[in-house]
Amino acid sequence: QQQVKQSPQSLIVQKGGISIINCAYENTAFDYFPWYQQFPGKGPALLIAIRPDVSEKKEGRFTISFNKSAKQFSLHIMDSQPGDSATYFCAARSRTSGSRLTFGEGTQLTVNP
Amino acid sequence: DTEVTQTPKHLVMGMTNKKSLKCEQHMGHRAMYWYKQKAKKPPELMFVYSYEKLSINESVPSRFSPECPNSSLLNLHLHALQPEDSALYLCASSRRQWLPYGYTFGSGTRLTVV
Repeated sequence: QQQVKQSPQSLIVQKGGISIINCAYENTAFDYFPWYQQFPGKGPALLIAIRPDVSEKKEGRFTISFNKSAKQFSLHIMDSQPGDSATYFCAARSRTSGSRLTFGEGTQLTVNP
Repeated sequence: DTEVTQTPKHLVMGMTNKKSLKCEQHMGHRAMYWYKQKAKKPPELMFVYSYEKLSINESVPSRFSPECPNSSLLNLHLHALQPEDSALYLCASSRRQWLPYGYTFGSGTRLTVV
């Protein structure tokens, strides 16, 4: 029940296209859903996050869509750029498990020029 | 200062060595974390410190020994490691353990055990 399932495992998008990464969860105690971007040799960097009382959050080219009833959330990257090529992790925090972050398995995004 | 600083960036150690990883933040965060990340995998939580006290130990082997000497500093002492312990070790901090935001990761220490 602590799992967060992320798909796809890898994604190739053309420059200017839309990248979409999906995550699904079961644990209703999750109350915070961040997305992290990680470049090789670097630590994960917080990209954008949402709470379950909000259905959508947009920051620049990055949008999180959240569907509480379906227990799914997704990251949309508009106008994808080669510099967006990185690994993306969705995560969820459980308020009943010491505030642990549970991560998805990650998506390797490649944006071709 | 909005960074979590980890030293060293790279470390190679033998199985009989003792070494330490260091993590520092000056954001006033009172929760600090150690994660382990293997290649192409998500970070795995090892330890959580809240107000300088160990809050969570995810059943980590005793060859890993965390220490939080003050609110800005977090150490991970390593002893008698195995080659399978080679990984990227990430430190993170957040304002408070129970607050669901403001989680900041460092760039990690790439550890190789030979």
